[in-house]
Amino acid sequence: DAEITQSPRHKITETGRQVTLACHQTWNHNNMFWYRQDLGHGLRLIHYSYGVQDTNKGEVSDGYSVSRSNTEDLPLTLESAASSQTSVYFCASSDGGGGRDTQYFGPGTRLTVL
Amino acid sequence: GENVEQHPSTLSVQEGDSAVIKCTYSDSASNYFPWYKQELGKGPQLIIDIRSNVGEKKDQRIAVTLNKTAKHFSLHITETQPEDSAVYFCAASTAGNMLTFGGGTRLMVKP
Repeated sequence: DAEITQSPRHKITETGRQVTLACHQTWNHNNMFWYRQDLGHGLRLIHYSYGVQDTNKGEVSDGYSVSRSNTEDLPLTLESAASSQTSVYFCASSDGGGGRDTQYFGPGTRLTVL
Repeated sequence: GENVEQHPSTLSVQEGDSAVIKCTYSDSASNYFPWYKQELGKGPQLIIDIRSNVGEKKDQRIAVTLNKTAKHFSLHITETQPEDSAVYFCAASTAGNMLTFGGGTRLMVKP
């Protein structure tokens, strides 16, 4: 079955380190998204991509970057991790517009920055 | 940009009762409104969605209503069961498929 996976599921790192969270989908979806989930804020969009080589900033993009070199993967990089980036991160994908815009979420990565 | 408000933040009901969660949105251009259920330790899972050309949609015990004029939409769960206990999120989307989420509602169904 097609699916969306994230790794690692849990990560502890130190302030200032670079961290990369992986997201892989096997639906061949064009659109991919990264969200962070914090108590009191729901889900907030970090970055998104509409296809290979396309990336866009979301609501809370400062301190994060993404790259899209193929359809299946959208890794999220924290250039220099900060304690404020302790959160649960979710990746999602969707086929695209025209009534096919349902977003499907991965299981999440819990990141702790000490 | 879009702003989505969700109420209540917590909701406790007795098994078999109905539960209603309400959301309002600010951008009149929003045209797609999904609802997600999130169980502990898992990612959000779509349970129902509605588009702006429809006023109501039902799927078994779950229904969603949309009032475009007032810019609000609601989730209705009838005959609640303990397994309905979870956090529910509403969202709104305009062209470009970007979702703006409400703050979530923790639903507790007491046996």
